[in-house]
Amino acid sequence: DAGVIQSPRHEVTEMGQEVTLRCKPISGHNSLFWYRQTMMRGLELLIYFNNNVPIDDSGMPEDRFSAKMPNASFSTLKIQPSEPRDSAVYFCASTLSNEQFFGPGTRLTVL
Amino acid sequence: GESVGLHLPTLSVQEGDNSIINCAYSNSASDYFIWYKQESGKGPQFIIDIRSNMDKRQGQRVTVLLNKTVKHLSLQIAATQPGDSAVYFCAENLANNRLAFGKGNQVVVIP
Repeated sequence: DAGVIQSPRHEVTEMGQEVTLRCKPISGHNSLFWYRQTMMRGLELLIYFNNNVPIDDSGMPEDRFSAKMPNASFSTLKIQPSEPRDSAVYFCASTLSNEQFFGPGTRLTVL
Repeated sequence: GESVGLHLPTLSVQEGDNSIINCAYSNSASDYFIWYKQESGKGPQFIIDIRSNMDKRQGQRVTVLLNKTVKHLSLQIAATQPGDSAVYFCAENLANNRLAFGKGNQVVVIP
């Protein structure tokens, strides 16, 4: 298995633009998590899905952030409109039990 | 790669020596804990876990100790190698496989 796949690996955009981050979890895993990592705040859970259903989105910072999981093999995190303070590394992780497997992350820079 | 350690506590250790990384957790009801390792430019990677009914668990060159009385977790790395240079995070399992991550500790191995 290739592990959790995220795209793009790097994204540079201008303030106000829409950004879509993509994740393909490990096949067979039934839970998917989106995290944001910054130097100031560390690793923060944004939202997680269980069997494609959003369970807890209390970590989503604002209505500008939205996430979907249309099927078991794909999820998106969208920011619209993006702001400079959204600049961070965004990780997707998936799990079948307790151990979460992380993807390589998407480094987002909003100018 | 992504810089996540500039403001983190840093442990500098000579190659071949043992490393000890400490972590305090907040929820006395947490029953499962994990240590993750994050190398520059990569996502966190599982190292070892421990359940609350145990005080100690050993893996390959790593040992995790759990002190529930003071809500303290430690990771010991034996015979530290250059490849062990990374940021190490402890995480506690909250509910529904949600993890709360600590701030992280940077380990720098001096050859």
